[in-house]
Amino acid sequence: GENVEQHPSTLSVQEGDSAVIKCTYSDSASNYFPWYKQELGKRPQLIIDIRSNVGEKKDQRIAVTLNKTAKHFSLHITETQPEDSAVYFCAPLRRQGGSEKLVFGKGTKLTVNP
Amino acid sequence: DVKVTQSSRYLVKRTGEKVFLECVQDMDHENMFWYRQDPGLGLRLIYFSYDVKMKEKGDIPEGYSVSREKKERFSLILESASTNQTSMYLCASRHRVLGTEAFFGQGTRLTVV
Repeated sequence: GENVEQHPSTLSVQEGDSAVIKCTYSDSASNYFPWYKQELGKRPQLIIDIRSNVGEKKDQRIAVTLNKTAKHFSLHITETQPEDSAVYFCAPLRRQGGSEKLVFGKGTKLTVNP
Repeated sequence: DVKVTQSSRYLVKRTGEKVFLECVQDMDHENMFWYRQDPGLGLRLIYFSYDVKMKEKGDIPEGYSVSREKKERFSLILESASTNQTSMYLCASRHRVLGTEAFFGQGTRLTVV
């Protein structure tokens, strides 16, 4: 099955600093790479995603980079703010015949200190 | 607005009871998923479905079964609840088209006593 690992498991930064979270996956058939953010007590929500034919995607302060050869993709947050504090999950998706399996990493708890 | 609704926010059941968790989505999504979320373990996939009456096992299917008789509804069944099934259960749905977002329900906090 798909093995998904996230690093680090916890990350603490000062407001204004950058944060980087890395996700490593094992299945070379994975072809869609999203990141989800889960604030305390809320449901996970998509914040950014990338497809396998693209190396980088940016949306304001967040970006995702993909290295398909090495089988990892990373979430980059610049100019962090206290509201960025949350748990972030990667979820590489693999299409398998008529079904799709969305497997999440264990999550990274990001704390942004004012 | 996409809506994924889980039938209960909090549930307390006794060991050995048969438990039904219901999930309904209103966006005609083909794919539906059940996860459990435990501290330090992230979201673990229990079962998923890509069409009516179709189901596939996730990573931790033991002790669970599912039912998808209608496209909008995906049910998770705990055949005989045990204390180690105390957890937060999250349902999600998405279109089959590649690159589309998964939308989550609000979660059901199940406690088995």
